[in-house]
Amino acid sequence: SQQGEEDPQALSIQEGENATMNCSYKTSINNLQWYRQNSGRGLVHLILIRSNEREKHSGRLRVTLDTSKKSSSLLITASRAADTASYFCATGRANQAGTALIFGKGTTLSVSS
Amino acid sequence: DAGVIQSPRHEVTEMGQEVTLRCKPISGHDYLFWYRQTMMRGLELLIYFNNNVPIDDSGMPEDRFSAKMPNASFSTLKIQPSEPRDSAVYFCASSLGGASRNEQFFGPGTRLTVL
Repeated sequence: SQQGEEDPQALSIQEGENATMNCSYKTSINNLQWYRQNSGRGLVHLILIRSNEREKHSGRLRVTLDTSKKSSSLLITASRAADTASYFCATGRANQAGTALIFGKGTTLSVSS
Repeated sequence: DAGVIQSPRHEVTEMGQEVTLRCKPISGHDYLFWYRQTMMRGLELLIYFNNNVPIDDSGMPEDRFSAKMPNASFSTLKIQPSEPRDSAVYFCASSLGGASRNEQFFGPGTRLTVL
């Protein structure tokens, strides 16, 4: 079963607006990662936040992690048409260094100009 | 570095035929993963290797699927015989160090269509 569940499943916004996507998970984690997938392409890593971190920034991306609620959010500020893609959260389970990541089903973001 | 390389990029075959997908991970990475992506089931982990050794193949759907990693720079995923329900995009990914602690680098994928 999927560990991470993104919300919403689909999001449509105008260029310049902010986009917020959420991810919930079930078990204790070592870290949580966000990936982007453009149509017809492989996934690209965006940002990793460890379980002892609460917030992380990378350019126009801001990720928060609330381990008490088992949830994370990805904020893309001042969105651009090029941000149109699917976004996935992935979790690495705690104390299992050799274990693979578990991906959610993704949020499809559409940014119109 | 060229990134993770997969071949072929597209494969169309008929039911019952053997299909072999290939992957070259990023040099120096010690973990390699095979995923399958479909609209219905999303991104599913099929199998992963650490230092060329299969660690977890519980995601392999059935005996028709097999994967090998004969050396650190090459892996194959084979489907024999193929069925229409195997149609999907198959991704290979690699990472350095503990899989759950580091980012994974994905290849461009192989789009498989089984008629």
